Amino acid sequence: NAGVTQTPKFRILKIGQSMTLQCTQDMNHNYMYWYRQDPGMGLKLIYYSVGAGITDKGEVPNGYNVSRSTTEDFPLRLELAAPSQTSVYFCASSYRAGEWFNEQFFGPGTRLTVL
Amino acid sequence: AQSVTQLDSQVPVFEEAPVELRCNYSSSVSVYLFWYVQYPNQGLQLLLKYLSGSTLVESINGFEAEFNKSQTSFHLRKPSVHISDTAEYFCAVSDRGAQKLVFGQGTRLTINP
Repeated sequence: NAGVTQTPKFRILKIGQSMTLQCTQDMNHNYMYWYRQDPGMGLKLIYYSVGAGITDKGEVPNGYNVSRSTTEDFPLRLELAAPSQTSVYFCASSYRAGEWFNEQFFGPGTRLTVL
Repeated sequence: AQSVTQLDSQVPVFEEAPVELRCNYSSSVSVYLFWYVQYPNQGLQLLLKYLSGSTLVESINGFEAEFNKSQTSFHLRKPSVHISDTAEYFCAVSDRGAQKLVFGQGTRLTINP
């Protein structure tokens, strides 16, 4: 049981390039999330998904896109990378049944630098 | 909208000293509360959580936090810290039924020998 895995671990992009950050979970969780972490700012929610085929915006969605074609995978796409997208990106997942809240499990993160 | 404030960005303490990391949230509606820990170059791990019941919750490594509804606080405490507790600690809150977390800015705990 690998939990939440993310690839790549590190990436340097040039301004205007695009890339996809991969996230996979093997816990059969229905909810998945993408966060970015900037120094002194905590984690900000970019997008989340409540199940395959359903996604919604979080607090800071501009410049990003997501898709959720399977339960396991939740890729994050950056189009036209900008220096403001330099950050550490975390994927997380959780299982929800009814109103009960379950903890989110986090991946190890992807450190992205845009130059 | 819900917000979370961690009052200290950095907390340096000596080994075996007590520590308190403060957390306040904005909403007075029913909430779930969490503390996550992030060790250097790693992802976040759940430290402890309050969902319902006893307002004092404990972790397996000696941390505890108390939910105070009237003060909208969820401070984290440990009576005696170890070098291995060096990490960044994040408080997070979710409104009941929301299944989305709002994180505080984080508190970096540094343990000096």
